[in-house]
Amino acid sequence: QKEVEQNSGPLSVPEGAIASLNCTYSDRGSQSFFWYRQYSGKSPELIMFIYSNGDKEDGRFTAQLNKASQYVSLLIRDSQPSDSATYLCAVMSYKLSFGAGTTVTVRA
Amino acid sequence: EAQVTQNPRYLITVTGKKLTVTCSQNMNHEYMSWYRQDPGLGLRQIYYSMNVEVTDKGDVPEGYKVSRKEKRNFPLILESPSPNQTSLYFCASSTTSGTANTEAFFGQGTRLTVV
Repeated sequence: QKEVEQNSGPLSVPEGAIASLNCTYSDRGSQSFFWYRQYSGKSPELIMFIYSNGDKEDGRFTAQLNKASQYVSLLIRDSQPSDSATYLCAVMSYKLSFGAGTTVTVRA
Repeated sequence: EAQVTQNPRYLITVTGKKLTVTCSQNMNHEYMSWYRQDPGLGLRQIYYSMNVEVTDKGDVPEGYKVSRKEKRNFPLILESPSPNQTSLYFCASSTTSGTANTEAFFGQGTRLTVV
């Protein structure tokens, strides 16, 4: 079983719609959870982190964490063409592990 | 400015010729790690280091070596590169693992081609 799994995508959404990204993790002792955005050929950049159960909102982004279900999600509201990128879920336990990423394309 | 610096950014080399990719951070982070990224496979961890002189294998360590003699530096060594090590490599650093809010900062990436 992979340590971090994401819905494989690709995900295509129209401009203005909500993009929903999902991630599950295997290590129940994991404490910190991150969403990174990566444009092609560039370094990942942090867009959200969460470490308590519930929702965390930052602008158009909402991260949701459910430790009992070992599930993390990211919602992107009012999607813009500039949101087109690969989104990586990362989980920190004793080491930082990444999912394979979900590629999102926002259609104008 | 807080940053992680990798060098070189691009490298083309031949099979079997030893090479080193350097990584340096200026944030006094304890935790540093190396990843390789290949299409469809995401970021796979090669090695990580909890602190000076403490290193451990990640998910894909074969063919790689690392060292952590100083807190700021974490070089990646390919003793005998092979074509299957052609990839995009990232170095990352963060505060101590296992605590909340441990954002990882990434270097700019090194695109390695082994012919």
